[in-house]
Amino acid sequence: DADVTQTPRNRITKTGKRIMLECSQTKGHDRMYWYRQDPGLGLRLIYYSFDVKDINKGEISDGYSVSRQAQAKFSLSLESAIPNQTALYFCATSESIGFTDTQYFGPGTRLTVL
Amino acid sequence: AQTVTQSQPEMSVQEAETVTLSCTYDTSESDYYLFWYKQPPSRQMILVIRQEAYKQQNATENRFSVNFQKAAKSFSLKISDSQLGDAAMYFCAIKNSGYALNFGKGTSLLVTP
Repeated sequence: DADVTQTPRNRITKTGKRIMLECSQTKGHDRMYWYRQDPGLGLRLIYYSFDVKDINKGEISDGYSVSRQAQAKFSLSLESAIPNQTALYFCATSESIGFTDTQYFGPGTRLTVL
Repeated sequence: AQTVTQSQPEMSVQEAETVTLSCTYDTSESDYYLFWYKQPPSRQMILVIRQEAYKQQNATENRFSVNFQKAAKSFSLKISDSQLGDAAMYFCAIKNSGYALNFGKGTSLLVTP
């Protein structure tokens, strides 16, 4: 079984709808991240969480919110989806050993907002 | 602020040959980590290799090795004995004491038979 899973893998929705993307991990890592990938732009950080009670905004958090339900679960919500949120979304996890912090990624969720 | 530049949008290599992907970066910190990730058509982000900036020795993982030039802020990836399965987007990334990876825009590698 995969260490980091994301659901759904693909989603098409309409402008104005609320969408939740979910991430679960079995790696036992305490740190979790949400990234967005757009063509030609690489990955950019949306939110990150170092433990259940610690959630922080990343580079591009506007229009997004997150919830860390448990150490193993980290959800990303789009409260009112808009077309420019069409992208590939990745969840990642890492273990807080020093600041080595190698990040391991889930398989990604492709979101299309019409 | 940190920036990562991958100046080669696309590269091509023949099977069994060697290819080098370039990456330069800018950071004001003295301690940081550099990474290469591979993204095949399946879109999964896969860690290829990691380099600690305080280590002078270049990292190696099987057919993958890096040429880390700290003074020049250069971190290139060499793939030896290229295989069809190496075809993918390759992303260079840097992480310092902060929380996030900063990624370059990627290099698309085509492997031809």
